[in-house]
Amino acid sequence: DSGVTQTPKHLITATGQRVTLRCSPRSGDLSVYWYQQSLDQGLQFLIHYYNGEERAKGNILERFSAQQFPDLHSELNLSSLELGDSALYFCASSVTGMETQYFGPGTRLLVL
Amino acid sequence: AQTVTQSQPEMSVQEAETVTLSCTYDTSESDYYLFWYKQPPSRQMILVIRQEAYKQQNATENRFSVNFQKAAKSFSLKISDSQLGDAAMYFCAFGSNDYKLSFGAGTTVTVRA
Repeated sequence: DSGVTQTPKHLITATGQRVTLRCSPRSGDLSVYWYQQSLDQGLQFLIHYYNGEERAKGNILERFSAQQFPDLHSELNLSSLELGDSALYFCASSVTGMETQYFGPGTRLLVL
Repeated sequence: AQTVTQSQPEMSVQEAETVTLSCTYDTSESDYYLFWYKQPPSRQMILVIRQEAYKQQNATENRFSVNFQKAAKSFSLKISDSQLGDAAMYFCAFGSNDYKLSFGAGTTVTVRA
């Protein structure tokens, strides 16, 4: 158990819908990262937040957005969902910036 | 952008034997970190080992060790005394001060009893 929690574990939804994935970092960690793992793209970095502020963006679609709240939990919002958005979405956390990132169990999203 | 290459899609090893997974990366940075993560069938990403680029000594964690060749930009993982529980996909990852991890495509390790 890494100490990073993610909810829900599984999510099944339809195209065009909007979902919210939630992540709670390890106690004491200020940084939260989101990654997408799909069969065709592999593991891709989406976005990084540090203490409530966005620090880095990767290959994140405009339909996707994220935020980190004052209690440091983070949410990833995916809207206008497409079949290709089906993937495993991971949240990871670290103390500040470039240290070891510890991963949550992931949220499996299936878009039908 | 950094690229990470794992050239072995699959590796098979006999229980109690040793297997080495290869990883190469491309970067112009001098300060960075390298990681190996394990992803078993549960899909959880588990940290196996970490190496700081400024350290010349190769990292070791129990049966797991790395061979870090900075000039060659190579970072291989050796699993000694392989156990059935080592069966998983292993990912090599590169991190630097842009705060993201760049992952290789992964190597699936099968352990034969």
